[in-house]
Amino acid sequence: GIQVEQSPPDLILQEGANSTLRCNFSDSVNNLQWFHQNPWGQLINLFYIPSGTKQNGRLSATTVATERYSLLYISSSQTTDSGVYFCAVGDSNYQLIWGAGTKLIIKP
Amino acid sequence: GAGVSQSPSNKVTEKGKDVELRCDPISGHTALYWYRQSLGQGLEFLIYFQGNSAPDKSGLPSDRFSAERTGGSVSTLTIQRTQQEDSAVYLCASSNTATGAEAFFGQGTRLTVV
Repeated sequence: GIQVEQSPPDLILQEGANSTLRCNFSDSVNNLQWFHQNPWGQLINLFYIPSGTKQNGRLSATTVATERYSLLYISSSQTTDSGVYFCAVGDSNYQLIWGAGTKLIIKP
Repeated sequence: GAGVSQSPSNKVTEKGKDVELRCDPISGHTALYWYRQSLGQGLEFLIYFQGNSAPDKSGLPSDRFSAERTGGSVSTLTIQRTQQEDSAVYLCASSNTATGAEAFFGQGTRLTVV
């Protein structure tokens, strides 16, 4: 089956810093999503991005499907950006395959 | 509804009791997923319903766990004879595979077995 790897596993930054999170996947996928799980456990949709580039405020994402990776950029980090960032891809049956997540801590 | 709704939000049960967790997906969504998440861990896949196809039950951890989806809409996850290791947050998501399958999650049910 499809393997999804996220890096780095942990990231600690000062408020105001920029960061890049990576998601590699091992095969062609039907879709790709980035989620933020906040400290209260809620999973929030950030981007639905099977290919191309999208931006939403301080966040942007790029997926290069032919090279099987996606990047999530966070600029000017705020403490509220803390949490776990998950990448999930859809296989041929739209079953979601999840990465292990990147735990981000933004220090004030 | 406007989003995925799960009930109850919290459930405390005694070891050995049965529990039922409910998920109301977004209207029209053909796919429904159940996951569980223990504290500090990633998402553990439980079961996947896709339209009228047979569900993918490969993630159910034991025969104490079962799930059904009635009429292609509401789903119920049942845990029989609960054990303390069943304590976790149970998350439900739904998607519309006809339009790219962007998945949306409910707020989860926090299950505590005492």
